[in-house]
Amino acid sequence: EAGVTQSPRYAVLQEGQAVSFWCDPISGHDTLYWYQQPRDQGPQLLVYFRDEAVIDNSQLPSDRFSAVRPKGTNSTLKIQSAKQGDTATYLCASRWTGGDNYAEQFFGPGTRLTVL
Amino acid sequence: GDSVTQTEGQVTVSESKSLIINCTYSATSIGYPNLFWYVRYPGEGLQLLLKVITAGQKGSSRGFEATYNKEATSFHLQKASVQESDSAVYYCALGTQVVGQLTFGRGTRLQVYA
Repeated sequence: EAGVTQSPRYAVLQEGQAVSFWCDPISGHDTLYWYQQPRDQGPQLLVYFRDEAVIDNSQLPSDRFSAVRPKGTNSTLKIQSAKQGDTATYLCASRWTGGDNYAEQFFGPGTRLTVL
Repeated sequence: GDSVTQTEGQVTVSESKSLIINCTYSATSIGYPNLFWYVRYPGEGLQLLLKVITAGQKGSSRGFEATYNKEATSFHLQKASVQESDSAVYYCALGTQVVGQLTFGRGTRLQVYA
């Protein structure tokens, strides 16, 4: 079974540039999460979906960040105008909620973003 | 809001020695959180090490153990004898009952030397 895949693995931008991150969850997983992990901190939830619906985006900086999951499978996270404070690793995770409500989340390798 | 505290940013231990990594939590919005330890080995993604759903119970995996202590709001990770291959970053996390949203601690980097 293939795991969660993310691309690109690395990105380096100047302030003000845009960037998109792509995530392919494990097949059949209905819930998808995006986390931001600054250096030397734990992952912090940005947004999550169940199928194509956004369930919680309260931690997403809505003026510059957006996330979609149009068919309930792959997802894209976009930063419109990056700032130095966005420098972090962006993690995607997926989970199947059909059985055990405490099922683990499966994480991708992450995209390491550096904004100069 | 909910929070997880890992007091040690880095721990260095000699191979075959015992280990404890501290984790305490505050779950103001969740009555009975689920507790997790995730691990990231060098060059790999985050993966679940162990989880405990019920207060008072212990989880174990790969020689590691953690007990869900509701009174002390703690979930310390322990191992009796560490190996070099245990060198990794360990994250304590708590999750909601329904949607599985996770709140993580900052992580503890474990370095085991021979």
